[in-house]
Amino acid sequence: GDSVTQMEGPVTLSEEAFLTINCTYTATGYPSLFWYVQYPGEGLQLLLKATKADDKGSNKGFEATYRKETTSFHLEKGSVQVSDSAVYFCALSGGFKTIFGAGTRLFVKA
Amino acid sequence: DVKVTQSSRYLVKRTGEKVFLECVQDMDHENMFWYRQDPGLGLRLIYFSYDVKMKEKGDIPEGYSVSREKKERFSLILESASTNQTSMYLCASTQPGGTQGSGELFFGEGSRLTVL
Repeated sequence: GDSVTQMEGPVTLSEEAFLTINCTYTATGYPSLFWYVQYPGEGLQLLLKATKADDKGSNKGFEATYRKETTSFHLEKGSVQVSDSAVYFCALSGGFKTIFGAGTRLFVKA
Repeated sequence: DVKVTQSSRYLVKRTGEKVFLECVQDMDHENMFWYRQDPGLGLRLIYFSYDVKMKEKGDIPEGYSVSREKKERFSLILESASTNQTSMYLCASTQPGGTQGSGELFFGEGSRLTVL
């Protein structure tokens, strides 16, 4: 069945460092791909999405490109801030269900 | 502002109690979902509903049931709570997508349930 694998955390970075969180997927068909973010004490909210191969999703300085040839959707940000500390979930959707990765916790130190 | 509201942020229940978790959305979405979130496991789908009075089992439905009497409300029921159901429960809704499937999920803030 469909699945999502993302890098284990926690990831600890200093402010202004470059961030990469790896995500790979297995799926039949052509799913949409998402990154969700969960700030402390809150539910998940959509960070960005891509609906077809080679699409790039972007929001709040974060980017991810839908790579069909490598079945990947890695999340990147050039300069993280303390306020980016959160849990990040990679997800795919095809049909009714959305399938999530295990989540990666990010800590950003001032 | 679009909203998914879960009735209880924190609950503490005893083993064997019946537990109701309520979720209401104001976006007129057709699809609603209940997930549980556990560290290292991500989100796992318990049940979902694509229409009033319709429900489908997700990946981990055992020990749970659901009710969808109105389009905006989707309830999760634990008939007899057990300690292994201690978890964070997240409700979400979405409009059905096209051939790409569901679009963005909108989540509530979560209900943290502790079963003693």
